[in-house]
Order: sequence, then structure tokens, then C-alpha cells
Amino acid sequence: QSALTQPPSASGSLGQSVTISCSGSSSDIGAYDYVSWYQRHPGKAPKLLLFDVNTRPSGVPDRFSGSKSGNTAFLTVSGVQPEDEADYFCNAYAGHKYVGVFGGGTKLTVL
Amino acid sequence: EVQLVQSGAEVRKPGEPLKISCEASGYTFTQFWIGWVRQVPGRGLEWVGVTYPGASDTRYSPSVQGHVTISADTSTNTLYLQWSSLRASDTATYYCVRSTGRLFTKNDDWGPGSLVTVSS
Repeated sequence: QSALTQPPSASGSLGQSVTISCSGSSSDIGAYDYVSWYQRHPGKAPKLLLFDVNTRPSGVPDRFSGSKSGNTAFLTVSGVQPEDEADYFCNAYAGHKYVGVFGGGTKLTVL
Repeated sequence: EVQLVQSGAEVRKPGEPLKISCEASGYTFTQFWIGWVRQVPGRGLEWVGVTYPGASDTRYSPSVQGHVTISADTSTNTLYLQWSSLRASDTATYYCVRSTGRLFTKNDDWGPGSLVTVSS
């Protein structure tokens, strides 16, 4: 199963909105609503940001939101803050043969 | 509070064996899936595999099937990942991950990572 495709980098000015895409296939993102996103700061462990495409765990700011269209999922950060500068990874269910697939990661820079 | 405490960094030569560990606390170890996600330098995250300690059910990613073994000791709440013969391509940071649902896409808790370096 191929990894999901994310742009290697994204950027936005402080307070702007930034959207990161995660492209999969009809066997993973297109087939199920089991998509999650993780944030990882340098030297730290990843942190769950969203699951079920657009559900935030408690404690995650509401400026983080998710959506899906066809075989592509999206993470939107509305009003980026300095602390949002990090790597972001998407994750999707890909059927019973696989534990799951991740994206290659996107480095978000806040200008 | 859930804690996942991983073993330290390891350096080995190709062909050598290795076993790394992750001690879990703060939840009932036998009631949740727990597994390993790795990141090869310069690449994205990749599932290695998961196990359900309460039922001894273990699943591996096709890319590592037959090359690694995941096990869990319910008496010490410890997860293990072992290789009988390491390859250079096993060089990566290995994260211990507790999955709480959604077919392994709701991964709430992550360990700090264990760096494994395989080099001659």
C-alpha cells in the first residue's frame, strides 16, 4: 500500500489560514471516513489533532479543522499561531490487509 | 495519565539481533491495541505493526511481515519489537503508540521514540 501524498512544505503569515492536503486513493481515504492528523514539533512525539476526518480530541484548539473530498483529505489551520510551526502527518485506514497508511509529512512554517 | 516509556537509542551492525521495549502505564494494558510506528530519516511515518495484549492478536504491515516480531508481556505491561537479523534499512526512530479506535487511526498516546541505527 503506497503512502499518502502530502506537500513537503506549507507556509502562512501569522493569523492567516493554511490548508494542507493529503492525497490517497479509492482504497483508503476515498473508501472510509477514518482519517486522522498528527502534529509533531522537533524532538517531540506526534500528537493527535483530528480523527474521523474532523473530530478534535479534547484540548485541541478549534482553529484546527479537517475535511475530505473524494480521495483527498485536508487539514486547515485558521489563524496560524507561532506554536503551530511543526510537521503535520495524515493517517488513514486502508482495509483489513493493512494496519494503516501515513502521509510523508508537511512542514508548516509561520511567517 | 497514560505514559509510554521506551528503551534508549541502540547502535548495531547488520545481521545482529535487537529487542527494544515500551513500558505502558496509566491504563489497562490488555484492553487497547498498542504497536510500533517508525520514521526513517527524511521520510514519513510508517506502521510496523500492532498487538492486542488481551487476546494475543498481532498484525504487521506487509513491508515488515516476517522480518520483525511484536510481543507483549502482560505481567509487566511491556511491549517489545525484535529483530533476529537487522538490516541497514531498519535504521529509524521507532515510536510506541497506543491506539484507542477507529481501525488504528485514533492514536492518542505516543512514546518519545527509540532511535535504532544499523551500520557497519
